[in-house]
Amino acid sequence: DAGVIQSPRHEVTEMGQEVTLRCKPISGHNSLFWYRQTMMRGLELLIYFNNNVPIDDSGMPEDRFSAKMPNASFSTLKIQPSEPRDSAVYFCASSTPSGGAYQETQYFGPGTRLLVL
Amino acid sequence: GENVEQHPSTLSVQEGDSAVIKCTYSDSASNYFPWYKQELGKGPQLIIDIRSNVGEKKDQRIAVTLNKTAKHFSLHITETQPEDSAVYFCAASEGGADGLTFGKGTHLIIQP
Repeated sequence: DAGVIQSPRHEVTEMGQEVTLRCKPISGHNSLFWYRQTMMRGLELLIYFNNNVPIDDSGMPEDRFSAKMPNASFSTLKIQPSEPRDSAVYFCASSTPSGGAYQETQYFGPGTRLLVL
Repeated sequence: GENVEQHPSTLSVQEGDSAVIKCTYSDSASNYFPWYKQELGKGPQLIIDIRSNVGEKKDQRIAVTLNKTAKHFSLHITETQPEDSAVYFCAASEGGADGLTFGKGTHLIIQP
């Protein structure tokens, strides 16, 4: 299995530009998660989807952030307009369907390192 | 919401010695506690996890213990090796298909 695939791996952009991060979850996984990692705040959950439906977006920092999952094999995280404080590593993770009360393992992608100048 | 505290932030041990990292959580509804290892430039990778219906789990040199009453859990690595050097994160979840709340991480350094 190829694992979770993210693109691009690195992105450098200027303040005010639109940024789109992409994620392909592991085949057969129906839950998808977007996390952000910074030195100051650590790893934070931004939003997650179950069966392509957004369940909890309370971690999305501002209206400038939006995420979509048009089908089971693709998700995007968009920042418009971008700001320097958005500079971080953005991770996508996926997991199999939860069969009961317990969480299933989340598998992380390699991340997208975003730098907004 | 859930809050996870992790200590220490940096841990340096001699090769061959044991390392212990501790975490506490605030939400008594949390029932799933994974540990992730992150190497430089890579995504977090699960190394072990524990569910609230057990108190201890072991996988070769790695073990995790859970005290639900005190709301804390710990990672134990025995016979440490240079390749164990990395940042380790604990996390907690209420289960189902929920997101994870992470601790701030521990930078483990194995001294040769």
